[in-house]
Amino acid sequence: DIQMTQSPSSLSASVGDRVTITCQASQDISNYLNWYQQKPGKAPKLLIYDASNLETGVPSRFSGSGSGTDFTFTISSLQPEDIATYYCQQYDNLMYTFGQGTKLEIK
Amino acid sequence: EVQLVESGGGLVQPGGSLRLSCAASGFTFSSYWMSWVRQAPGKGLEWVANIKQDGSEKYYVDSVKGRFTISRDNAKNSLYLQMNSLRAEDTAVYYCAREGQPWIWGQGTMVTVSS
Repeated sequence: DIQMTQSPSSLSASVGDRVTITCQASQDISNYLNWYQQKPGKAPKLLIYDASNLETGVPSRFSGSGSGTDFTFTISSLQPEDIATYYCQQYDNLMYTFGQGTKLEIK
Repeated sequence: EVQLVESGGGLVQPGGSLRLSCAASGFTFSSYWMSWVRQAPGKGLEWVANIKQDGSEKYYVDSVKGRFTISRDNAKNSLYLQMNSLRAEDTAVYYCAREGQPWIWGQGTMVTVSS
């Protein structure tokens, strides 16, 4: 099985800060990676697909990069509504796995 | 509007069974792989199982193999998860999801395994 190692597990930042989350795959997954945002009591919301493509309607302050085993998710200027937990998900094979999640808080 | 609506969750005793359903609308259900993903209280997301468009291929996470069965009825635009021999660690919100770009998720149904 492909393991996804996401870091950090939690992050505290100020409004306007640049925030970066990383995800490392245990083997090459090409660009088969999604990034999700999840708020309490809600289903995950897709933000980025194929590692770097912004889902329709998602603000441009969100971005993703990487390929192979190392991936990065960035919020260029943190907004109060971005407080949530973020997950990466690989879909290189048919048995998908998620990162452990990053809980983002406002400092 | 693309929509997935899960149902069938509830409280069940350890060792019991439960069948979850997911009603799909707004897209051609028979054209997509479908998945179940779960989230234990306060924990992260865990993919559980998926099924090919025609039901000919199914995959499961190791922890549910032999206990859970995923199935679908394309005529009814519905996805199912039969859960047997339930354990306390199966307690979670269960989400149905349409695979592909983009992944589409339902709102989830809560399953609680407790005596």
